[in-house]
Amino acid sequence: AQSVTQPDIHITVSEGASLELRCNYSYGATPYLFWYVQSPGQGLQLLLKYFSGDTLVQGIKGFEAEFKRSQSSFNLRKPSVHWSDAAEYFCAVGSRYSSASKIIFGSGTRLSIRP
Amino acid sequence: DTGVSQDPRHKITKRGQNVTFRCDPISEHNRLYWYRQTLGQGPEFLTYFQNEAQLEKSRLLSDRFSAERPKGSFSTLEIQRTEQGDSAMYLCASSLGGTGEYNEQFFGPGTRLTVL
Repeated sequence: AQSVTQPDIHITVSEGASLELRCNYSYGATPYLFWYVQSPGQGLQLLLKYFSGDTLVQGIKGFEAEFKRSQSSFNLRKPSVHWSDAAEYFCAVGSRYSSASKIIFGSGTRLSIRP
Repeated sequence: DTGVSQDPRHKITKRGQNVTFRCDPISEHNRLYWYRQTLGQGPEFLTYFQNEAQLEKSRLLSDRFSAERPKGSFSTLEIQRTEQGDSAMYLCASSLGGTGEYNEQFFGPGTRLTVL
């Protein structure tokens, strides 16, 4: 069965510092991989996705993520965080073989920014 | 605004009451999804529609839950005889549908349900 693990429940970084949020997935083949961000009172917003090809994907708001098949990981990075990046971040997988495009989410990592 | 909308945004009810939520998808999207998100967790898939047909239901969707999409446009999610464990954020998403390439799901702001 597909599953997603985000080992860090809460991370605090200083504004301007670099960020890496960890994500590991379990899936029989290469899934579709996503990172979403959720701010209070806002809906989930897609930051970036990986389907195939280049394993380093660029997203919105200066985020990037790297797919590492050998480690079953899809970590999210940003070189310099801004106070507005404080939010909940979810890693997710989708099946290539389901027409439903159902998404399985991790439990999330809450990001706080230290001024 | 042409995004996914949900109504109401907040609902407080007493245990045992019935509640109904509405989702209006992006107009050209033929797929509509419902997810439930409890505190400290990621969203969990509940069900999805392709046009008016409900094609998949999660085992999380007990018989107290029913979802409809009568004309293939808006959808309603009803919970009967609510329990405190139903307290959660209910998220709706929509996407284009079809074979082949994955179609991005766009999420609404959610309806937060509190059962007292």
